Amino acid sequence: DSGVTQTPKHLITATGQRVTLRCSPRSGDLSVYWYQQSLDQGLQFLIHYYNGEERAKGNILERFSAQQFPDLHSELNLSSLELGDSALYFCASSVAGNQGASYGYTFGSGTRLTVV
Amino acid sequence: AQSVTQLDSQVPVFEEAPVELRCNYSSSVSVYLFWYVQYPNQGLQLLLKYLSGSTLVKGINGFEAEFNKSQTSFHLRKPSVHISDTAEYFCAVSISGGSYIPTFGRGTSLIVHP
Repeated sequence: DSGVTQTPKHLITATGQRVTLRCSPRSGDLSVYWYQQSLDQGLQFLIHYYNGEERAKGNILERFSAQQFPDLHSELNLSSLELGDSALYFCASSVAGNQGASYGYTFGSGTRLTVV
Repeated sequence: AQSVTQLDSQVPVFEEAPVELRCNYSSSVSVYLFWYVQYPNQGLQLLLKYLSGSTLVKGINGFEAEFNKSQTSFHLRKPSVHISDTAEYFCAVSISGGSYIPTFGRGTSLIVHP
C-alpha cells in the first residue's frame, strides 16, 4: 500500500457519460498530480494541484476537469466520454509543490476506465 | 522541452543474469532523473533518482543507475535478476529549477525467465 488511495479501481461506462475519479494523497503530501496511461500515448501528465490550487496543466482535454478540496483529496471529472478516453488514470502525490518532482512521486494503484 | 527515450520496449532475460535497461534523455539544461517500476495491476513505484552529486545512484531491490552527462543517458542495471523483477520500468526526467513536471519514457518491459 503506497498510501495514495484511488477509487474506484474499475469503471465501465458508455460514450457520452460523465464520471468522477477520486484520489486521496499520502498523509502529509500537499501536491496531487493526475496522469493518464494508455498503450498508444504512454504516461501523460494531465494536471497538478498544490494545497487546493491548480499549479500546472498538461495534455488535459477541455472535457476533463479537476479540483482539490480543503481536506486535500482530489477529483478528476471526465465528461462527454469517448472510446478513446479508455485508459488507466493515475493519481500521484508528493510532499512539496514545485520541488515535489525532486522528491519523486508516490502513485496510487489507478482507476481503469473503460468506455463502451 | 525535455524528452526521454527508452531504447528497448521489451527485455527478456534469464533469472540470475545481469540486466541493463537503457534510457536517454534530451535536455539543454540540468535535469533530475528517475526510474520507476510498475508491477502488474499496480501504480508506479520509485526505484531511484539522480538529483546531483555522485553519478552512480543505488536504489531499492538491488538496482542502480549511472548518470552520464556527456552521453545524456541514465541506464538502469542489476547484476542478478529474480523472477519477481518482472515488471514495466519507466525512466523519467524533469528540469531542475524549471518546469518541474517529469516527462516519462514509454517504458521497458523486463521479462525474467526461470
